[in-house]
Amino acid sequence: EAQVTQNPRYLITVTGKKLTVTCSQNMNHEYMSWYRQDPGLGLRQIYYSMNVEVTDKGDVPEGYKVSRKEKRNFPLILESPSPNQTSLYFCASMGRVTYEQYFGPGTRLTVT
Amino acid sequence: AQSVTQPDIHITVSEGASLELRCNYSYGATPYLFWYVQSPGQGLQLLLKYFSGDTLVQGIKGFEAEFKRSQSSFNLRKPSVHWSDAAEYFCAVEPGNEKLTFGTGTRLTIIP
Repeated sequence: EAQVTQNPRYLITVTGKKLTVTCSQNMNHEYMSWYRQDPGLGLRQIYYSMNVEVTDKGDVPEGYKVSRKEKRNFPLILESPSPNQTSLYFCASMGRVTYEQYFGPGTRLTVT
Repeated sequence: AQSVTQPDIHITVSEGASLELRCNYSYGATPYLFWYVQSPGQGLQLLLKYFSGDTLVQGIKGFEAEFKRSQSSFNLRKPSVHWSDAAEYFCAVEPGNEKLTFGTGTRLTIIP
């Protein structure tokens, strides 16, 4: 089954404690992306990756890092989380034939 | 500036009634256009997409959308809503750079 998985699904942490949210896709997609969803703001892109070792900033990259060492994985790293990063995060991958983005189930992050 | 606008934050309709959700975009050329649905606690699922050709596109779950170039609009419609259609709906555009930009969403409530 084609899918995008994210872990963890829920995370409560404290300010400044580094964390990583993993994302993996099994569709051999080259393009992957991270979004955050906040009430009234829709989904905003944090970072995206066109292929292995190729990443670029989206609309709201401050405070986040990503890496793309393998095609299937695209982890999101918060090196020093702050309360304004409390949000719902989605990973997505896209095939370049259909241009359809497949979304993971989301990770709800709370930073206290 | 390039943008996607969903003017209705919240819409309430009766079960069995027709539905239209509005989406307008501001881009120089016709982008790829998408509608996604997010059920409570879930990720996003693609309802339908428009790339070119017939301006009326059919999607899953009985939804359709019409692209109107003159109005820069891509409105989503359904002739008769079901209680299970209650969700948040997002319009999204991709202007040819593989970067998907979302509107702020419309929350749909269905009353019996």
